[in-house]
Amino acid sequence: EDQVTQSPEALRLQEGESSSLNCSYTVSGLRGLFWYRQDPGKGPEFLFTLYSAGEEKEKERLKATLTKKESFLHITAPKPEDSATYLCAVQPVTSGTYKYIFGTGTRLKVLA
Amino acid sequence: GAVVSQHPSRVICKSGTSVKIECRSLDFQATTMFWYRQFPKQSLMLMATSNEGSKATYEQGVEKDKFLINHASLTLSTLTVTSAHPEDSSFYICSSPLAGVETQYFGPGTRLLVL
Repeated sequence: EDQVTQSPEALRLQEGESSSLNCSYTVSGLRGLFWYRQDPGKGPEFLFTLYSAGEEKEKERLKATLTKKESFLHITAPKPEDSATYLCAVQPVTSGTYKYIFGTGTRLKVLA
Repeated sequence: GAVVSQHPSRVICKSGTSVKIECRSLDFQATTMFWYRQFPKQSLMLMATSNEGSKATYEQGVEKDKFLINHASLTLSTLTVTSAHPEDSSFYICSSPLAGVETQYFGPGTRLLVL
């Protein structure tokens, strides 16, 4: 069964304290892996798409990496405005176009 | 800016009433829209795929007679929660893929509270 697991469930960091969020996945074949940011009461906001093992993408303080079994979202020197829930989703090869499986997210709180 | 909008953003209704949620694509045509439900601290769960001009495709365990989906135009899909009950209280989010873009665009969500 296709599955996505994110860890930790919640993370508290001091401003400037770098860390990584994990997304482990089990799929028969991966079409793409997606990272989103979700603020309370809002819809997910797109961050990155990764397609193959070894791929990396960066945006400001965020960097996403991908292996055959997991993806990491590295946050360098976070700021309070980075506080949000970070969602990981996979699109299996066997799924219909754009059909995603989401993890439960990591709730990040960055303290000033 | 946002490319998918939802209305209303919040709705409170009495048990047994029906509630309609609209999802609109802005500045692009959406032949496909997705409807998700998200309970607190839980994942987004796909409920159904809405296809313009044809019947929606529902995920296993989602009652099609309770969650009516209509996709009558290329920019509008509606989700109607019929005879709502407190257990239907949730955050409902729609999304749409955009041709040539590598991801779905999500709406801002609708918070439904059934009393």
